[in-house]
Amino acid sequence: ETGVTQTPRHLVMGMTNKKSLKCEQHLGHNAMYWYKQSAKKPLELMFVYSLEERVENNSVPSRFSPECPNSSHLFLHLHTLQPEDSALYLCASSQAGTSVDEQFFGPGTRLTVL
Amino acid sequence: AQSVAQPEDQVNVAEGNPLTVKCTYSVSGNPYLFWYVQYPNRGLQFLLKYITGDNLVKGSYGFEAEFNKSQTSFHLKKPSALVSDSALYFCAVRDRDSFSFTGGFKTIFGAGTRLFVKA
Repeated sequence: ETGVTQTPRHLVMGMTNKKSLKCEQHLGHNAMYWYKQSAKKPLELMFVYSLEERVENNSVPSRFSPECPNSSHLFLHLHTLQPEDSALYLCASSQAGTSVDEQFFGPGTRLTVL
Repeated sequence: AQSVAQPEDQVNVAEGNPLTVKCTYSVSGNPYLFWYVQYPNRGLQFLLKYITGDNLVKGSYGFEAEFNKSQTSFHLKKPSALVSDSALYFCAVRDRDSFSFTGGFKTIFGAGTRLFVKA
């Protein structure tokens, strides 16, 4: 285990639903990330939080809303998603401020939007 | 701008044979380079990284990677492949010279290369 957990592992939702993805890291890291992984496409960085402040938002549609209440927890709130949003959503954490901070990933949430 | 290319969608190797997974990169400054592996139904796991110094970097599970500055490559290698090495491999790069505490988090990942090791 990498020390990063994600729940749920699988989620099926309709386009009008509201749901949330949860990520928790037990590594004492100070930065957390959301990525989207689609088949045969590079990993897409969505959001970065450092010390609970959002420092990166890569032009993600507003139907995705992140929340970082503390340095150990990260949420991704979802509403009115589209079928093309179906993907594996990965959370990661790292110890930012060091010279090179490799990232530790959770197992992901497999999201299917009907 | 940073970019990473993994030119092969898939690599097939027989068990016991050496394997190479290719990666080339582009950064404006000096690179930090990473390899990650993803097994089915799992997140990415860190394998190894190049920061500076020796061009041959050794990592987990017997993997190593060679940094070649003139060819801007960072190929992943293993002398003898195992069936259990079958997985999806990602190369990643970050521009060392653009590091800052609040902005230096943008690690760019390649599209991944699927490795099949046949018994």
